Amino acid sequence: SQQGEEDPQALSIQEGENATMNCSYKTSINNLQWYRQNSGRGLVHLILIRSNEREKHSGRLRVTLDTSKKSSSLLITASRAADTASYFCAKTKTSYDKVIFGPGTSLSVIP
Amino acid sequence: EAGVAQSPRYKIIEKRQSVAFWCNPISGHATLYWYQQILGQGPKLLIQFQNNGVVDDSQLPKDRFSAERLKGVDSTLKIQPAKLEDSAVYLCASSFGVLYNSPLHFGNGTRLTVT
Repeated sequence: SQQGEEDPQALSIQEGENATMNCSYKTSINNLQWYRQNSGRGLVHLILIRSNEREKHSGRLRVTLDTSKKSSSLLITASRAADTASYFCAKTKTSYDKVIFGPGTSLSVIP
Repeated sequence: EAGVAQSPRYKIIEKRQSVAFWCNPISGHATLYWYQQILGQGPKLLIQFQNNGVVDDSQLPKDRFSAERLKGVDSTLKIQPAKLEDSAVYLCASSFGVLYNSPLHFGNGTRLTVT
């Protein structure tokens, strides 16, 4: 079964607003990654955060990791219509090379 | 750098027929992954190779699916015979390897429709 879940399953916001997506997991991890998928395309890597890191930034993206709560959040600030996509978190188990994806959050940014 | 190449882009077959997908990873990437993505769901790992050895194939339906990675580079995924529930997008990805904390690079996938 998939390890962890994203929530919400779907999110609809107005352009310019911030979007927050969450990812939870059940067992310890080596790192956690966030990916974006536009309709009909492959996944594109956004940010990788290691288990010993708490926060990472990339442009308008901010990822946090709370290992005590076994959760991560992806924040997209000042959203744009082009941010409309599905967002997935992927976990790698400690000392195990398996990369497992969650079910994803579908984000719609309304112009 | 060139990305992960997959072919074909689309495939339509009838149930009980066979089909094969091809993937060429990014040069130098030791780890290669095949994922199955059913519409509206997250990618499900089918098989993961490290060079030409299998790291994990626990979710590969081995009675009908097979995969190989030739000389640790290209890979093929085969389905024989196909079932209706195999209709999905098959994604190939590659990376330097998770132990290097490197991200996955995905191809655009092969959309399979089984009728």
